[in-house]
Amino acid sequence: DQQVKQNSPSLSVQEGRISILNCDYTNSMFDYFLWYKKYPAEGPTFLISISSIKDKNEDGRFTVFLNKSAKHLSLHIVPSQPGDSAVYFCAAIDRGSTLGRLYFGRGTQLTVWP
Amino acid sequence: DSGVTQTPKHLITATGQRVTLRCSPRSGDLSVYWYQQSLDQGLQFLIQYYNGEERAKGNILERFSAQQFPDLHSELNLSSLELGDSALYFCASSVLTGNTEAFFGQGTRLTVV
Repeated sequence: DQQVKQNSPSLSVQEGRISILNCDYTNSMFDYFLWYKKYPAEGPTFLISISSIKDKNEDGRFTVFLNKSAKHLSLHIVPSQPGDSAVYFCAAIDRGSTLGRLYFGRGTQLTVWP
Repeated sequence: DSGVTQTPKHLITATGQRVTLRCSPRSGDLSVYWYQQSLDQGLQFLIQYYNGEERAKGNILERFSAQQFPDLHSELNLSSLELGDSALYFCASSVLTGNTEAFFGQGTRLTVV
């Protein structure tokens, strides 16, 4: 049961342009969302998060947008750089749950070309 | 460096064997999670421990088990290994359960031959 879905397995973007990675979720109890970035042979690293009480969170070149009514979030990277090439995982959590488990999507491979 | 240490980094073993993967969480983190990443798959949640107690189970096979010790390090035991168990196994830790982001180790790549 995939409660967090990333429907695009890959995305290719030219350097300097905007990268938009999308994520959908099904569980309305999720109230905190995270994006992780993963390079080959490394563990996922936390990138940015957003609480369900917000609709936008910015950190430098990275912005996450949350549309609760649509159960959709997106990660915008502007401008994209070759070093951004990695797999991006969307994750969600129900902080009201005592379990604290992160639910992950399958990931989107972003390739930024010069 | 996330502060989460996993050993070994690579493991090659034969079918039917048993292996133990080890995880040392970040200093102060009480919660430990184990995830499996197979080819073309996302991060599949296996099991979570909090301060020594099992908190949640995901898609963990009966051949797999885990524990968290008093010093908070955790071990994932995989037995009667099959070719399909070949995967990356990640450990993550967080301070509490459910309130902060989790920090991941670099993973153990298990190859069953």
